[in-house]
Amino acid sequence: DSGVTQTPKHLITATGQRVTLRCSPRSGDLSVYWYQQSLDQGLQFLIQYYNGEERAKGNILERFSAQQFPDLHSELNLSSLELGDSALYFCASRRQNSNTEAFFGQGTRLTVV
Amino acid sequence: QKEVEQDPGPLSVPEGAIVSLNCTYSNSAFQYFMWYRQYSRKGPELLMYTYSSGNKEDGRFTAQVDKSSKYISLFIRDSQPSDSATYLCAMSDQGAQKLVFGQGTRLTINP
Repeated sequence: DSGVTQTPKHLITATGQRVTLRCSPRSGDLSVYWYQQSLDQGLQFLIQYYNGEERAKGNILERFSAQQFPDLHSELNLSSLELGDSALYFCASRRQNSNTEAFFGQGTRLTVV
Repeated sequence: QKEVEQDPGPLSVPEGAIVSLNCTYSNSAFQYFMWYRQYSRKGPELLMYTYSSGNKEDGRFTAQVDKSSKYISLFIRDSQPSDSATYLCAMSDQGAQKLVFGQGTRLTINP
């Protein structure tokens, strides 16, 4: 158990809908990263937050947004969903903003039908 | 050109063999290097974490970093069927604004 919790584990929704994925980092970790992994693809970096502030952005679509709350949990919001958004979404957390290991949650499997 | 290149495989070896997995990278600012193991559709599990150049050993796993060549390796000794998974390299710079991952190498250990 990595200590990073993601909910829900599975999500099935229709095109055009909006969903929210939740990530609770390990206790004491200030940094949260979000990644998307499509079938047989690598991990695509979406966005990073550190202590409530956005620190880095990757290939995140404008339809997607995220935030990190004062209790350090993070939410990834996906809107106007398309079939191509079906993927595994992972979050990872890190103790500080640098030079520490990153630990992953078990992911949320999103299926858009 | 991708910042991190990793041969996706698949790589298939017999049980007991020594496995060598590799990544090359282009960003000389990378200083922190990680190897993750990912079983099918599960969360990546951290195997090894190294800083700068050198070797690190943990049980059957050895991680090597050669910053001059921008090349990192993971060696698995006495490979077991349970080692069958996708192995991902990852790296970040001092500022750690993001973790950059390789594509992952799919490894199968045949009994």
